[in-house]
Amino acid sequence: ETGVTQTPRHLVMGMTNKKSLKCEQHLGHNAMYWYKQSAKKPLELMFVYSLEERVENNSVPSRFSPECPNSSHLFLHLHTLQPEDSALYLCASSQEQGYGGTEAFFGQGTRLTVV
Amino acid sequence: GQNIDQPTEMTATEGAIVQINCTYQTSGFNGLFWYQQHAGEAPTFLSYNVLDGLEEKGRFSSFLSRSKGYSYLLLKELQMKDSASYLCAVVDSNYQLIWGAGTKLIIKP
Repeated sequence: ETGVTQTPRHLVMGMTNKKSLKCEQHLGHNAMYWYKQSAKKPLELMFVYSLEERVENNSVPSRFSPECPNSSHLFLHLHTLQPEDSALYLCASSQEQGYGGTEAFFGQGTRLTVV
Repeated sequence: GQNIDQPTEMTATEGAIVQINCTYQTSGFNGLFWYQQHAGEAPTFLSYNVLDGLEEKGRFSSFLSRSKGYSYLLLKELQMKDSASYLCAVVDSNYQLIWGAGTKLIIKP
């Protein structure tokens, strides 16, 4: 248990579906992140939130839409995804935005399959 | 561009020692992390190096040479539960994390 909880753990969705991934952290951290992890590729940073404000969006397609209603919760809304979006989506949090010596804590991820 | 290189896969024997290397080319350097990730699980923090030298933490040690853009993770007295992927990540000049693709470590009895 890392203090970061993601639901669901597994998700299969069609290309026309709309679904949402949820992340919750109980660590009192101020920054939260969405990452995409594909097989044999580096973690790809998608979005960064600091104190509920989006501070980074790494050229992510608009079919991915993040939401951060408060500092403990982070959502990733999905719609009209493509098969190449199938991956493990990881949520992480850290005390502050930026990584000057403070580690990030990760959730177990949502394994997403787009059919 | 920024680049982190680590071997894709390594195999080692239970009870032995293994060294996982990581080389990096980044815009600036503000530290290097090692994470462990078991299949289907969250990456978990192992170590953080910002100064040159060896940091020892039980069976695991991490080494850094900033002049060579090089780090390694040393695992001693390997156990079956050490089978996992090991991720190297560098903090660049903007305090962003640049990740390697990870090294899958397979431990054989």
